Amino acid sequence: NFMLTQPHSVSESPGKTVTISCTRSSGSIASNYVQWYQQRPGSSPTTVIYEDNQRPSGVPDRFSGSIDSSSNSASLTISGLKTEDEADYYCQSYDSSNHEVFGGGTKLTVL
Amino acid sequence: QVQLQESGPGLVKPSQTLSLTCTVSGGSISSGGYYWSWIRQHPGKGLEWIGYIYYSGSTYYNPSLKSRVTISVDTSKNQFSLKLSSVTAADTAVYYCARTTVTTSYNDYWGQGTLVTVSS
Repeated sequence: NFMLTQPHSVSESPGKTVTISCTRSSGSIASNYVQWYQQRPGSSPTTVIYEDNQRPSGVPDRFSGSIDSSSNSASLTISGLKTEDEADYYCQSYDSSNHEVFGGGTKLTVL
Repeated sequence: QVQLQESGPGLVKPSQTLSLTCTVSGGSISSGGYYWSWIRQHPGKGLEWIGYIYYSGSTYYNPSLKSRVTISVDTSKNQFSLKLSSVTAADTAVYYCARTTVTTSYNDYWGQGTLVTVSS
């Protein structure tokens, strides 16, 4: 199996751009799709990116996803930061045995 | 719009079996194309995948929990269930059910979650 490693926390000012990384420990990041979930305190996770770079309807285009094979990582980029973006963000993928794997989560502070 | 709702006891004694049910509305479990998942979150911690089931009964479990987990499905009631045996305080968590796409393992709909506390 593999692990997905995220920074514990990131912070940025409103209006700026932030990128959260998700590094896969073994195997290629491109082998299996990556999803990104946003979780506000006391709420269930909601999807902001699925299948590496797809946005569900209703998610603003300020949110974008990408993968980088050279660093074996996925990234979530949020531009034009708003205070409402402050939340925990989790990446998620799966392995060849159909087992899901979550990253440890990143706390985004917008200050 | 698919909706999922977890139900079950909020308090379980150590060594007993945790049992939760997820009721699905707005869509049929038997329609295919989706797994039906259980995911948990320890207090203040990250998300942990427990396992999922296909409507046919095929199951996939987190290897770290496999010896204690059973997920089952009742298509007639449009429900699926989780049983976790021999629980300890370390199993205290919010338990979520979710719908997961088979092809890309994308959890597109989640329940609101239910807190289960393991304590005597």
